[in-house]
Amino acid sequence: AQKITQTQPGMFVQEKEAVTLDCTYDTSDPSYGLFWYKQPSSGEMIFLIYQGSYDQQNATEGRYSLNFQKARKSANLVISASQLGDSAMYFCAMTLYFNKFYFGSGTKLNVKP
Amino acid sequence: DTAVSQTPKYLVTQMGNDKSIKCEQNLGHDTMYWYKQDSKKFLKIMFSYNNKELIINETVPNRFSPKSPDKAHLNLHINSLELGDSAVYFCASSQEGRLAGNTGELFFGEGSRLTVL
Repeated sequence: AQKITQTQPGMFVQEKEAVTLDCTYDTSDPSYGLFWYKQPSSGEMIFLIYQGSYDQQNATEGRYSLNFQKARKSANLVISASQLGDSAMYFCAMTLYFNKFYFGSGTKLNVKP
Repeated sequence: DTAVSQTPKYLVTQMGNDKSIKCEQNLGHDTMYWYKQDSKKFLKIMFSYNNKELIINETVPNRFSPKSPDKAHLNLHINSLELGDSAVYFCASSQEGRLAGNTGELFFGEGSRLTVL
């Protein structure tokens, strides 16, 4: 069975510092996609970044980068230069065949001024 | 124009009532979903439709009935509401396949907060 694990229920980071949110996944399928979503307190789900299982390079989107370690089955999100607006829930997700998404339990990030 | 829109945004109702949530996407996507987010923020897939055809039906009570009149719409009807149905329900859509520039990401609606009293 496919599974996504986020082991950090909550994290604090100082404004302007970098933070890493952990995500591990479990699948025997060689083809999959990994995603990170942000959910601020207002409730909407915001897509941040995507990594395909065959992508050779780690994905980056502005201040977000995905540290993809395929052998370890990890897909950690790195946020550089944290801002107060980064305070939110962050969800890691995996999809096979793009018709079913498995979500982790989320990490609540608090950015301190 | 909102890509995935769902109505209503808030629903407050009594136990035993029936309610519906509507969802529409204007992205031309083939696949639509309903997710339930409980009070602990856990996101659980309920249903998935591809081109109006049901492809995923997780272990959901049969009081929940999805309907997809066309590939741009996926509605959720809930009969005999129970306290445990209180949650935020998210509609989402995605485009399958590894087309150029397509990550296959989920596009979410704003969510519909259902409170059962």
